[in-house]
Amino acid sequence: GQSLEQPSEVTAVEGAIVQINCTYQTSGFYGLSWYQQHDGGAPTFLSYNALDGLEETGRFSSFLSRSDSYGYLLLQELQMKDSASYFCAVRAHASGGSYIPTFGRGTSLIVHP
Amino acid sequence: DSGVTQTPKHLITATGQRVTLRCSPRSGDLSVYWYQQSLDQGLQFLIQYYNGEERAKGNILERFSAQQFPDLHSELNLSSLELGDSALYFCASSVGSGAGGNTGELFFGEGSRLTVL
Repeated sequence: GQSLEQPSEVTAVEGAIVQINCTYQTSGFYGLSWYQQHDGGAPTFLSYNALDGLEETGRFSSFLSRSDSYGYLLLQELQMKDSASYFCAVRAHASGGSYIPTFGRGTSLIVHP
Repeated sequence: DSGVTQTPKHLITATGQRVTLRCSPRSGDLSVYWYQQSLDQGLQFLIQYYNGEERAKGNILERFSAQQFPDLHSELNLSSLELGDSALYFCASSVGSGAGGNTGELFFGEGSRLTVL
């Protein structure tokens, strides 16, 4: 089976930097994605790592270490609007030739003024 | 707006009843995925269809079934409903069967919130 672990809640202040960690156990690993979800709305894609290293997209960066089965999402220059739930998702090979994203339970990020 | 449309947005029903949730994927996307999100839970994968055929199955209960039609829209049928089935049901789509090509990106609809009383 597959399992993902991420903190349930992280709190930070505006302008700060926060890191949300994700560790996973899976077979057929293909890549790690991050999604943002505001208040039960539609999850939206943030980033994807298939290879080791750091991917940067504006204020958000994502890191992957395949040997450690570990990744993180780094949010810089935090804004109030960044308050949301953040999910890591392992993309792994499934039967039938598909690659199905399996999501963690999510990390609730609370940004204070 | 992701381009994925789900109806209804909200649904309230009683235990033992049956409901159908509908999803229209983004134009051009052949894959549809169904996920269930209960309170404070992650997104639990239920089932995937690609171009009309079932491609992968997750933790979908036998009381639940789905299908994808020739026009690529999909329906999730939930029967003999129980209180524990109350949840947000998300549909997502991607172009190929590999969950979003090079980036693995899924495009999610706004979800259907099901309340079973």
